Amino acid sequence: QSVLTQPPSVSAAPGQKVTISCSGSSSNVGNNYVSWYQHLPGTAPKLLIYDNYKRPSGIPDRFSGSKSGTSATLGITGLQTGDEADYYCGTWDSSLSALVFGGGTKLTVL
Amino acid sequence: QVHLVESGGGVVQPGRSLRLSCAASGFTFSSYGMHWVRQAPGKGLEWVAVISYDGSNKDHADSVKGRFTISRDNSKNTLFLQMNSLRAEDTAVYYCAKDFAYFNSAILDAWGKGTTVTVSS
Repeated sequence: QSVLTQPPSVSAAPGQKVTISCSGSSSNVGNNYVSWYQHLPGTAPKLLIYDNYKRPSGIPDRFSGSKSGTSATLGITGLQTGDEADYYCGTWDSSLSALVFGGGTKLTVL
Repeated sequence: QVHLVESGGGVVQPGRSLRLSCAASGFTFSSYGMHWVRQAPGKGLEWVAVISYDGSNKDHADSVKGRFTISRDNSKNTLFLQMNSLRAEDTAVYYCAKDFAYFNSAILDAWGKGTTVTVSS
């Protein structure tokens, strides 16, 4: 059971938009910055979003992040088949004194 | 370009030890915090440990505290994870990751491809 809650899977057609939620509590999402990672099995995970909404250089603006209260959201527009991957949110949990991740969301581009 | 390469994984019996290494290149290794993160088969990511840029500060997840120890050799641009008293539940792919800052910003901005550890009799 992960500290942060994500939907197990989402799907959408190519070119469409999808959102992935990440729900936590005041000890993690509510009072700390959230990051998002993309992970294709067998490869190195990649940082997509940090500090709730910032994108590292090289990450296209099709990827966006937001946070409200104890929930964060990753948005992906203009879906491509290459976006099929597992997506994880992560943040520091001040009560656990640990970096915590969501359980991951598998994105399928139909 | 940041490059992280893990090594040292393998099959080990319960109760035995293993030491993982992570060779870093493409950035000033001695200026950044480093993490270990693992992924058990069919499961999500689980943070394992973090170490500050100079090795003076460390933190470990409760699930490995007292059994695993993170360390680094800045002269060799290498991160380590000493794993003792291994259990079946430690079976996972272990990733090293670079922190965004000098210790623990909780932002992992570069990752390796991982090394597999299997604990089995």
